[in-house]
Amino acid sequence: NAGVTQTPKFQVLKTGQSMTLQCAQDMNHNSMYWYRQDPGMGLRLIYYSASEGTTDKGEVPNGYNVSRLNKREFSLRLESAAPSQTSVYFCASPVAGGTEAFFGQGTRLTVV
Amino acid sequence: GEDVEQSLFLSVREGDSSVINCTYTDSSSTYLYWYKQEPGAGLQLLTYIFSNMDMKQDQRLTVLLNKKDKHLSLRIADTQTGDSAIYFCAEPGGYQKVTFGTGTKLQVIP
Repeated sequence: NAGVTQTPKFQVLKTGQSMTLQCAQDMNHNSMYWYRQDPGMGLRLIYYSASEGTTDKGEVPNGYNVSRLNKREFSLRLESAAPSQTSVYFCASPVAGGTEAFFGQGTRLTVV
Repeated sequence: GEDVEQSLFLSVREGDSSVINCTYTDSSSTYLYWYKQEPGAGLQLLTYIFSNMDMKQDQRLTVLLNKKDKHLSLRIADTQTGDSAIYFCAEPGGYQKVTFGTGTKLQVIP
């Protein structure tokens, strides 16, 4: 049981390049989230998906798009990367009732 | 909206107790969490407390909740070097979202 799996673990992009961060969960959870973590700012919610087929903006959605491909997978896309998007990105999936959220290992993204 | 605040850094000597504090604003939360993030890893749930409790103890961990002041604390007794991590206070939001605090980096000095 892998829980939440994110790929890639590390990525360096040039300004203006695009990329997709992949996330998959094998716990049959309905909800999945994408957060970014920046020093001194905690985790900020980018987008979330409460169930398959639905997505909603979080606190900091600008510059990102998401796709809830199926119940297992929730991807995050940067269409035109900017240095301000240098961050560590986490995918997470809570259990029903929200008593615990399971996190992926994170993707460390650097935009130069 | 929810807002969760923590101090950014705490340094303690090995064997001492650590106390990490948090203030939150959403008084309707049914429970509050503490997550731990070890270097290079994602967050893992450490413990949580229901809002109808004022204390929860789990081995070396003690969680205290003061609902009147909207203050949550995590006490780690006999702090070890393996406790060095970032600790996040968190509360549930709508649609099963979780709102995290800024995180407190705990440094344990041998």
